Amino acid sequence: GAVVSQHPSWVICKSGTSVKIECRSLDFQATTMFWYRQFPKQSLMLMATSNEGSKATYEQGVEKDKFLINHASLTLSTLTVTSAHPEDSSFYICSASTFSYNEQFFGPGTRLTVL
Amino acid sequence: KNEVEQSPQNLTAQEGEFITINCSYSVGISALHWLQQHPGGGIVSLFMLSSGKKKHGRLIATINIQEKHSSLHITASHPRDSAVYICAVNRGQGAQKLVFGQGTRLTINP
Repeated sequence: GAVVSQHPSWVICKSGTSVKIECRSLDFQATTMFWYRQFPKQSLMLMATSNEGSKATYEQGVEKDKFLINHASLTLSTLTVTSAHPEDSSFYICSASTFSYNEQFFGPGTRLTVL
Repeated sequence: KNEVEQSPQNLTAQEGEFITINCSYSVGISALHWLQQHPGGGIVSLFMLSSGKKKHGRLIATINIQEKHSSLHITASHPRDSAVYICAVNRGQGAQKLVFGQGTRLTINP
């Protein structure tokens, strides 16, 4: 089956620093990637949708300048949490899909802790 | 009211029992997904359905489009089935974004 990787799997950083999370589709070309955030014991919350080569579409309430998303190739999307604060601590998950196909393949997630 | 509702929210059962998790939705959909999230956080896509029934090993998923309802069944449950099961739908036609249910936390005791 299709495999999506995320790196790093966990990261601890100091408040005020920026953190980059990578999402890669390993064996297929992902025209669309999704970034989700999940708080403990809650369901996934979609943050943004990114299509290769174009700007990401952010969900209402998600700060574009704080969560920078880049989808530079058909196999790589990155999420950068800028000037991270403790309230940004969460589990971030990406998923990838191909054009006009509904199935999404999820990455293993990245646990971010901001001290 | 959420567009996708799951029941029960929590389910504890003994190994070997037959498990049913339900999902109801209130919007038109093009597909429904059942996802499994293990304690470590990784999510696996179990099924994608637009009609009828699908089976994979001990897992069975059904969907009734008229009643806007889907069920996930696990036969001969095992402790390794312990996970959160999430129902999600593609709302409308051509929509890739998923709308998620709140998840069902399943614990299978040996």
